[in-house]
Amino acid sequence: AQTVTQSQPEMSVQEAETVTLSCTYDTSESDYYLFWYKQPPSRQMILVIRQEAYKQQNATENRFSVNFQKAAKSFSLKISDSQLGDAAMYFCAYRSVQGAQKLVFGQGTRLTINP
Amino acid sequence: DVKVTQSSRYLVKRTGEKVFLECVQDMDHENMFWYRQDPGLGLRLIYFSYDVKMKEKGDIPEGYSVSREKKERFSLILESASTNQTSMYLCASSLRVDTEAFFGQGTRLTVV
Repeated sequence: AQTVTQSQPEMSVQEAETVTLSCTYDTSESDYYLFWYKQPPSRQMILVIRQEAYKQQNATENRFSVNFQKAAKSFSLKISDSQLGDAAMYFCAYRSVQGAQKLVFGQGTRLTINP
Repeated sequence: DVKVTQSSRYLVKRTGEKVFLECVQDMDHENMFWYRQDPGLGLRLIYFSYDVKMKEKGDIPEGYSVSREKKERFSLILESASTNQTSMYLCASSLRVDTEAFFGQGTRLTVV
């Protein structure tokens, strides 16, 4: 079974600085999708960024980028120029493309932005 | 905009009660999911459905069942609620495996 691990329960960063959130996963599949979701205090989960496993190029969305290391099964999220509105829980997720196509999440990292 | 609606934001039930959590999506999505969210454990998949009347067990299906009679509605059923089922429950839907999942606002269920 696929598993997703986020080893940092909490992180904090100064406003305008850069922070990296870690995520590792375990799978025997060669093709899959990886996601980062954000959950602010309102509880509404929002997609931050998506990565296809067959693409070597790292995905980027404005201030958010990933470092996807397929061999190491690592998928970290970098937030540049951190803003107060970035404060939230961040979840890494894995989606199979074969078989049951489950969408599996990690434990989450709570990010605090210090003004 | 895709909308996923959960019937209740907060719910308090007694031990032993049968509990229904309803989820409706308005974008004709094939896939629907039920998760529970607990501090330090993240989101754990209870059940998911990839088509009407089809369901698959997730990682923690014990004590739960689901129903998907219509494409837009996915119900989570606690046959006999217990205090260890006190949690936040999140419903989600997605069109395909490669597309993002859209989430409801969550239902915070307390079993007393």
